[in-house]
Amino acid sequence: ETGVTQTPRHLVMGMTNKKSLKCEQHLGHNAMYWYKQSAKKPLELMFVYNFKEQTENNSVPSRFSPECPNSSHLFLHLHTLQPEDSALYLCASSQTQGFGNTIYFGEGSWLTVV
Amino acid sequence: RKEVEQDPGPFNVPEGATVAFNCTYSNSASQSFFWYRQDCRKEPKLLMSVYSSGNEDGRFTAQLNRASQYISLLIRDSKLSDSATYLCVVTRGDQGGKLIFGQGTELSVKP
Repeated sequence: ETGVTQTPRHLVMGMTNKKSLKCEQHLGHNAMYWYKQSAKKPLELMFVYNFKEQTENNSVPSRFSPECPNSSHLFLHLHTLQPEDSALYLCASSQTQGFGNTIYFGEGSWLTVV
Repeated sequence: RKEVEQDPGPFNVPEGATVAFNCTYSNSASQSFFWYRQDCRKEPKLLMSVYSSGNEDGRFTAQLNRASQYISLLIRDSKLSDSATYLCVVTRGDQGGKLIFGQGTELSVKP
């Protein structure tokens, strides 16, 4: 059983839709992450929040908009996506951002853009 | 060149076999090293950290060679349940511990 839960697990959206992915961690961690995993590609870090402050935006297009209202919750707002954005989106958390902190992943949200 | 490169795979081995995965990293600022396991359509999970002195956890042995910038994972007596993708992960010392993932090596253990 994972301490990081993501909803929805599967999402199909049109290119003109607006949707959001939600992540909640129950581990008392202070750092949260969004990763993208496309087929046959390494995980790509998208955003990092440490103590609710965004500390990293890995050149992600503005059609992806993260929100971190508190240390336990992380959202990824999606609008006007492209078919190539179809992927597995993984949320993760760690005690803080930095060394020696094991990162724990949620089960992921499978996104299909049609 | 990718910052973290792994054996391309897939590896198809019979039960009971010993299999080794290799991983190289290009940035000397890499500080910490891990192996993660990812089952099909599931999230990655930490398998083990990799220490300079090498470390073992049951059937799994991890080795690190900082001079050659090389990490390995050895699985002895493979089980069907070991079938998964194994991800090599390094953290960047010059980027606040940012995790860099390899593309993964797929292992399929057959009866």
